[in-house]
Formats: sequence, C-alpha cells, structure tokens
Amino acid sequence: SQTIHQWPATLVQPVGSPLSLECTVEGTSNPNLYWYRQAAGRGLQLLFYSVGIGQISSEVPQNLSASRPQDRQFILSSKKLLLSDSGFYLCAWRSDRISPQHFGDGTRLSIL
Amino acid sequence: GENVEQHPSTLSVQEGDSAVIKCTYSDSASNYFPWYKQELGKGPQLIIDIRSNVGEKKDQRIAVTLNKTAKHFSLHITETQPEDSAVYFCAAITPSNGAQKLVFGQGTRLTINP
Repeated sequence: SQTIHQWPATLVQPVGSPLSLECTVEGTSNPNLYWYRQAAGRGLQLLFYSVGIGQISSEVPQNLSASRPQDRQFILSSKKLLLSDSGFYLCAWRSDRISPQHFGDGTRLSIL
Repeated sequence: GENVEQHPSTLSVQEGDSAVIKCTYSDSASNYFPWYKQELGKGPQLIIDIRSNVGEKKDQRIAVTLNKTAKHFSLHITETQPEDSAVYFCAAITPSNGAQKLVFGQGTRLTINP
C-alpha cells in the first residue's frame, strides 16, 4: 500500500534561517506531489505542485521554493525564513490517474 | 478559476443528531468532489468523495449529495458520535488543469456534544 512521510513533525526556527522540509511517498511511481500551507484555523493554500522529476509549478509568489530531485521525493525550502512563513505545512500525493489526493501528517513550523 | 464556498464555519450538534455541511462551487466543469476530515495536529484524511456522474453516495453514517445544476454538494453525517468532532473540508477539481489541483473550502469545525 501507499504511504506518505513528512519530517520533521515540528520545527522552531529563527527569522532569517534556512529551511528544508522533506516529503517522501512509498508504494507508487510517478505521483503528482503537492505542498500546502495551512494557517491556524484556516483552509489549505496550495503552494507548489509537481507532475514529475524536476517539474515544479508555483501557485503563489512567496519566500519559499520546492524541488523534486527524485520521483517520490518533494522538498520545500527557503534561504531566509520570515515570520510570515509560520504555519502548518502539508505534503500530498495522488497517482497519475483520476484519484483523490492523500495527505501526510504535516510539519508545524514556528518562526521566532 | 474555481472557487469553493463552505458553510457553516462552525457547527455544534448533540451526540446522536445529524450534521450537514454545505459547499458551493463556481466552475460547472468541475467533476470530482472529495471531503476531508482533519483532526487536531494531523493531515486531512479523505472520508468520502463523489464524481459528477453520481447524485448521491453513502458510506455507513456518511453521505454526500451533489446537485450539478445548482453547483452545490453537501456532507451528511448521521447518528453523530464524539469521534466525529474535527474540521471538515470540501474540495473540487476542475478537469482542465492537468495537475488535478484541488480547490478547498475554508473548513467547518464540527463539535459533537455528549
């Protein structure tokens, strides 16, 4: 069966520090991959999606970037974090046919 | 692009009663509508979904209805239990975008009172 892993589960970082969040999917090949951000008590905002290795689409202009170095690995990065980058970051995947998206358990990022 | 509105934002019901959450969408081409349940500190979990060629789908105490003409769909939970307390999100997919991007409603915080 397919599983999705995100780490770390929680992260506290100072303003101006770099960021790297990792997401991996097991049990499937060539998935579509997604990064979302969820502010406290709010809905989900799509940040990036990828339909294949090295293919990244950005949904909103921001301080973050994404990369997909391997088929089932999706990385969210920043060179210098801002206070506004705080939030709950969720990775999701779906297979390359019509199917639902499945989410990981997220990373709670706090910027001090 | 697609826009999804979800109501109510909060809902409180007595244990054993029914709960209904409603969503409307703007793009008549949307053809897939999933519902997710998110518990505190966890990622959203798919609980039920419906495609545009179906008007209703049921899975035990959970059902979803779709009205394509009015462009709205609803989640129905019957015989509610305390473990149903969570935030629920509706979403829609428009087939025109190749990456199948989901557009989410703003969520409903459901509280089941014992």
